[in-house]
Amino acid sequence: GNSVTQMEGPVTLSEEAFLTINCTYTATGYPSLFWYVQYPGEGLQLLLKATKADDKGSNKGFEATYRKETTSFHLEKGSVQVSDSAVYFCALSESQGGSEKLVFGKGTKLTVNP
Amino acid sequence: DAGITQSPRHKVTETGTPVTLRCHQTENHRYMYWYRQDPGHGLRLIHYSYGVKDTDKGEVSDGYSVSRSKTEDFLLTLESATSSQTSVYFCAIRSAGGETQYFGPGTRLLVL
Repeated sequence: GNSVTQMEGPVTLSEEAFLTINCTYTATGYPSLFWYVQYPGEGLQLLLKATKADDKGSNKGFEATYRKETTSFHLEKGSVQVSDSAVYFCALSESQGGSEKLVFGKGTKLTVNP
Repeated sequence: DAGITQSPRHKVTETGTPVTLRCHQTENHRYMYWYRQDPGHGLRLIHYSYGVKDTDKGEVSDGYSVSRSKTEDFLLTLESATSSQTSVYFCAIRSAGGETQYFGPGTRLLVL
C-alpha cells in the first residue's frame, strides 16, 4: 500500500537557521502531497500542498517541491523562528472506494531556540 | 478556520465502559474522518464517512464504531474502552471535489 516516510526527530535548531525535513513516499499513481503542522495542544493545520510533479507549494516562508523522480516532498525554510516550533507531518492522498484519504508520516518535532 | 468542534475535549474513563466522541461541523462538507494520534505512529485513520449513513472502515477500526445520522455530526463510539485506546482523537472534514482535509482541535482520551 501507499506509505510516507519522514525523517525522525526531534530536530532542534537555533533561530534563523535553515530547516530541511525530509519526506519520501511510496504510491501507485500520482497522489497529491501535503505538509501539515501541529502546534502544541492544537489540531493539524494545512501548511502547504502540491498536486502534481514539479509543483512547488509554499506558505509562511516554507516551501516543498513535488519530485516524482525521487518520490520526495522535502520541507524547507530559509530562516526559522521560535514560533515555528511544532510537529510537522508529511501526507499523501489516496483514492479508495471513491473516497480520498490521507496517509501520514509519523511526524517530525521541531524545536527552535532563541 | 474550518467550523469543526469536538466534544468532549478531554475525557477520563475506566476500562470496559462505553465512550462516545462527537464531531460537529458547520461547513456542510460531505466527507468526515476520525483519526487517532499516538507517539511514533503519526495519525491513523479509524473510520470515515462519505455521506449521511454512509461509512467505511479505516486502517485501525477494530474496537470502534461510527454513526452519521445527519450531515453535521459524526460520532465515534468505543463500545468497551480498553487502555490501548488511550489516545488523542481528531476529526477531519473535506468537501466533495476538494483534496484538503481540515482538522478539529482533538479529544484527549485516557482509559484507566
